[in-house]
Amino acid sequence: EVQLVQSGAEVKKPGELLKISCKGSGYTFTSHWIGWVRQMPGKGLEWMGVIYPDDSDTRYSPSFQGQVTISVDKSISTAYLQWNSLKASDSAMYYCARRSRNGYHIDYWGQGTLVTVSS
Amino acid sequence: DIQMTQSPSTLSASVGDRVTITCRASQSISSWLAWYQQKPGKAPKLLIYKASSLESGVPSRFSASGSGTEFSLTISSLQPDDFATYYCHQYNSYSGTFGQGTKVEIK
Repeated sequence: EVQLVQSGAEVKKPGELLKISCKGSGYTFTSHWIGWVRQMPGKGLEWMGVIYPDDSDTRYSPSFQGQVTISVDKSISTAYLQWNSLKASDSAMYYCARRSRNGYHIDYWGQGTLVTVSS
Repeated sequence: DIQMTQSPSTLSASVGDRVTITCRASQSISSWLAWYQQKPGKAPKLLIYKASSLESGVPSRFSASGSGTEFSLTISSLQPDDFATYYCHQYNSYSGTFGQGTKVEIK
């Protein structure tokens, strides 16, 4: 069974560093792009970027380029989303998602990680 | 960046109604479009991929069509479990833009 299991909810202060994780199982982790999606409270889905675990090829949506860092450790089948200096506006639910090899649509989602940034 | 315009933003309907949601791309995306259903507090769920292919396990009352820049999702007979928010999603490019969402509410 394909699963993407994300790390738990985080409460941070502005300016702090944060790295959240997404562990894949039940499939060949290195063969599927993994993406990150933001959902701000009461709002829609926003595509942040994707990474190919086999070679760490990473593509960012223009809106998120330079704001976050997507990385992967294929030895432990885990993708990461990192902020070097959080802002209150980063408060949101973050989902990781697997891209299908049959057309690249998202076919599996993680359960989401809620990030709250508040002083 | 490819923009996706979804309409309506809210749709009020009754159980048994036929409902249609539309999605327009700012440039051609061929058939690289998916539809997702999201319920409050849950991750989105894949319904349709490649514009019209029904994901395994999804009820046949869901159907979709379109290509190029114009797409639609139809629920033939709305069921209580279908009241949710629906998103279109283009994956023609690495950016993978989503539509703004359509909330299907009980009338």
